Amino acid sequence: SQQGEEDPQALSIQEGENATMNCSYKTSINNLQWYRQNSGRGLVHLILIRSNEREKHSGRLRVTLDTSKKSSSLLITASRAADTASYFCATDGTGANNLFFGTGTRLTVIP
Amino acid sequence: GAGVSQSPSNKVTEKGKDVELRCDPISGHTALYWYRQSLGQGLEFLIYFQGNSAPDKSGLPSDRFSAERTGGSVSTLTIQRTQQEDSAVYLCASRAAVGYTFGSGTRLTVV
Repeated sequence: SQQGEEDPQALSIQEGENATMNCSYKTSINNLQWYRQNSGRGLVHLILIRSNEREKHSGRLRVTLDTSKKSSSLLITASRAADTASYFCATDGTGANNLFFGTGTRLTVIP
Repeated sequence: GAGVSQSPSNKVTEKGKDVELRCDPISGHTALYWYRQSLGQGLEFLIYFQGNSAPDKSGLPSDRFSAERTGGSVSTLTIQRTQQEDSAVYLCASRAAVGYTFGSGTRLTVV
């Protein structure tokens, strides 16, 4: 399967702490994207990192990509209760028509 | 429209019945995707439409599943003779360049 794997499956932290989620994948990619999902419904695109990039920032989000290890991490700094959601990585593989999603990390931020 | 619209939001159907799920993508987005998400799981790719090209149906789980996209815009996913294992959230997404925009999904429950 080309689907990515994420860890941890669930993460619970206090408000204000940083949250780090990891994603591993199997195939060569054009880019890797992170999405957020609230309440098991629609996904929201957070950030995209291309295969030739190693780090990218967007607000409180920091994404790293290590193509040699086929892994990525998402760091959310200064977490807020509103960050509580499931976070998925998705890979846009070379030669593929669609994104392959990881299994997700369920983040709970405790006020 | 401003976003990807899916209808119905929720559908309860009896085993063996046919269902139709609708997706109205963002105007001008040439790529349209259907995914399925079972409870607590990642997203499973079903089918991909790109412009006037033949769709990529490689993710459809059985011949009970079919989809069409009329006029390069609205798409309908049809599930015939529904089974209980078809119960899931069906998500539609459209894309212009990079970064998918997802609808809120249709939660299908087969009883």
